[in-house]
Amino acid sequence: DAGITQSPRHKVTETGTPVTLRCHQTENHRYMYWYRQDPGHGLRLIHYSYGVKDTDKGEVSDGYSVSRSKTEDFLLTLESATSSQTSVYFCASRGGEKLFFGSGTQLSVL
Amino acid sequence: SQQGEEDPQALSIQEGENATMNCSYKTSINNLQWYRQNSGRGLVHLILIRSNEREKHSGRLRVTLDTSKKSSSLLITASRAADTASYFCATGDAGGTSYGKLTFGQGTILTVHP
Repeated sequence: DAGITQSPRHKVTETGTPVTLRCHQTENHRYMYWYRQDPGHGLRLIHYSYGVKDTDKGEVSDGYSVSRSKTEDFLLTLESATSSQTSVYFCASRGGEKLFFGSGTQLSVL
Repeated sequence: SQQGEEDPQALSIQEGENATMNCSYKTSINNLQWYRQNSGRGLVHLILIRSNEREKHSGRLRVTLDTSKKSSSLLITASRAADTASYFCATGDAGGTSYGKLTFGQGTILTVHP
């Protein structure tokens, strides 16, 4: 987990509210990713970034947006949270060919 | 769509035994990687094998890759209680501009009993 921090670690919110998850890396990695982890589905890619202000959709992007204004920061926003977005969210950055992950954010949408 | 399918979903063994996990995938790949996840933590990279390699070793880990069968296996020898974790395979697509994206399998939960 070294070099990548996610905040908050836990969050409980209500349906319909906006939520922003933060990812900060100190490795100066160009590529960053947001995944969600759910039982029975493993990790699924939500959005990724290939540079400052350069982002694209992943496998399960509906209901999510991202922004990357600086190399070190990658934000994931749920515009209007739904119960189906209850999950554990992981941020990762790419060093060489391997990914380095943060410790995750447990999000509960009630 | 899930690229990697892992087998078994759960594996329970005694300390000192070997643990073998299998991964199958669907498309052409550039490389295949294995990651470990301890409970409540992020994933940690274990080993990478390229599409032109057949076998790779790292400490007690041995990975094989059969591109003709689109499958890989991870062997952990002389397992320890500390090896208890979830193990995931991940594939990087071949060709094009993949931006380093990895597609993960559903994982194998390994429990090693002391």
